[in-house]
Amino acid sequence: SAVISQKPSRDICQRGTSLTIQCQVDSQVTMMFWYRQQPGQSLTLIATANQGSEATYESGFVIDKFPISRPNLTFSTLTVSNMSPEDSSIYLCSVMTGGYGYTFGSGTRLTVV
Amino acid sequence: KQEVTQIPAALSVPEGENLVLNCSFTDSAIYNLQWFRQDPGKGLTSLLLIQSSQREQTSGRLNASLDKSSGRSTLYIAASQPGDSATYLCAVRPTFSGGYQKVTFGIGTKLQVIP
Repeated sequence: SAVISQKPSRDICQRGTSLTIQCQVDSQVTMMFWYRQQPGQSLTLIATANQGSEATYESGFVIDKFPISRPNLTFSTLTVSNMSPEDSSIYLCSVMTGGYGYTFGSGTRLTVV
Repeated sequence: KQEVTQIPAALSVPEGENLVLNCSFTDSAIYNLQWFRQDPGKGLTSLLLIQSSQREQTSGRLNASLDKSSGRSTLYIAASQPGDSATYLCAVRPTFSGGYQKVTFGIGTKLQVIP
């Protein structure tokens, strides 16, 4: 199955700043998924990123706050903009694998102070 | 709307014990169910993927079963070890009908294996 390299693994950021998270996949994939996991909560899908088109955002998430780039079939970035303490979460990227299962990156643990 | 529940929320067992984690879902129209392990602050590691037509999957000391009609899956861990300490999540994918099908995740069961 695919292997995803995600970075940074963690960061502590000042409120009002932005952080860009990168995911690199070792094979070409059509769709990449970005999730947020708030403390003590389950995973929530932020958006689906397709190469060559605008990302599709889920209800409650907007492009101005979470801009996504997908320049090719192996790479994607998620930016968390104008951060507030409420953005403190684990952010995860994911791709589909054989049998329509999923593989995840190692996660980015973000703390906003 | 699919809802996924995992009980118990936390579990503490002595090393060497066999244990069962539970996952229940409200809509039986699923394509597959996947079990993951998550270490604190980290990403998800896939453990087992069960297709809707399967009853169980095994990998080493892990065995996952699926009863689609009753909306339940269990993850059995044999001879637990301290290294098994983590949060275990299940995720349900709905029946495929074209396009991307949104996966629903449980909150997880936090397992602690005491040496």
